[in-house]
Amino acid sequence: QVQLQESGPGLVKPSETLSLTCTVSGGSIRSYYWSWVRQPAGKGLEWIGHIYSSGTANYNESFKSRVTLSIDTSRSHFSLGLSSVTAADTAVYFCARDYFDNGGYYLDSWGQGTQVTVSS
Amino acid sequence: EIVMTQSPATLSVSPGERATLSCRASRSIGSNLAWYQQKPGQAPRLLLYGASARATGVPARFSGSGSEIQFTLTISSLQSEDVALYYCQQYNSWRGTFGQGTKVEVK
Repeated sequence: QVQLQESGPGLVKPSETLSLTCTVSGGSIRSYYWSWVRQPAGKGLEWIGHIYSSGTANYNESFKSRVTLSIDTSRSHFSLGLSSVTAADTAVYFCARDYFDNGGYYLDSWGQGTQVTVSS
Repeated sequence: EIVMTQSPATLSVSPGERATLSCRASRSIGSNLAWYQQKPGQAPRLLLYGASARATGVPARFSGSGSEIQFTLTISSLQSEDVALYYCQQYNSWRGTFGQGTKVEVK
């Protein structure tokens, strides 16, 4: 059973870059897409983007100018960078594995999530 | 962008009764729909994919139906441990989008 674990600073200053890493264990990071999803307090889920093990990435247009995704298959982890953050980026950030089905991807395994607060 | 709309926002059901949750897509998505359960303080958990296929370990009281634009998640006999938020997600495009969620409570 694959397991995912997010890590990174819980507090980021406005205008700085949020950086998170998701470590994959119990399964291979290769041949899958890997997603980031966030959830502001009391609100719904918002897909940020995903990255394939080859490095190919797709992004939610809402974040495209600020997001960077990267992957290190040798270390079995992938990372999210979100620049120029504001208080609106305060949320729980989840990493998840994409599972291919009928031309699209649903999220079959999730990390526990990590709270990131943007504040000075 | 495909917009997913869930109803109702909150559903109160007595233990042992049926709970019916709805999800509507702004355009046809075939059967590319997943349902997730999220309990307080936890990550979402995949319940169903392909509109009606149960994920590993999901109890048989959870079932899904529908296609194209209208979908339903049914909990046949609500248990106390089913209290949670339920989200639908379309994955017909590579950019999956979620509904806003339905909160299921025990009456």
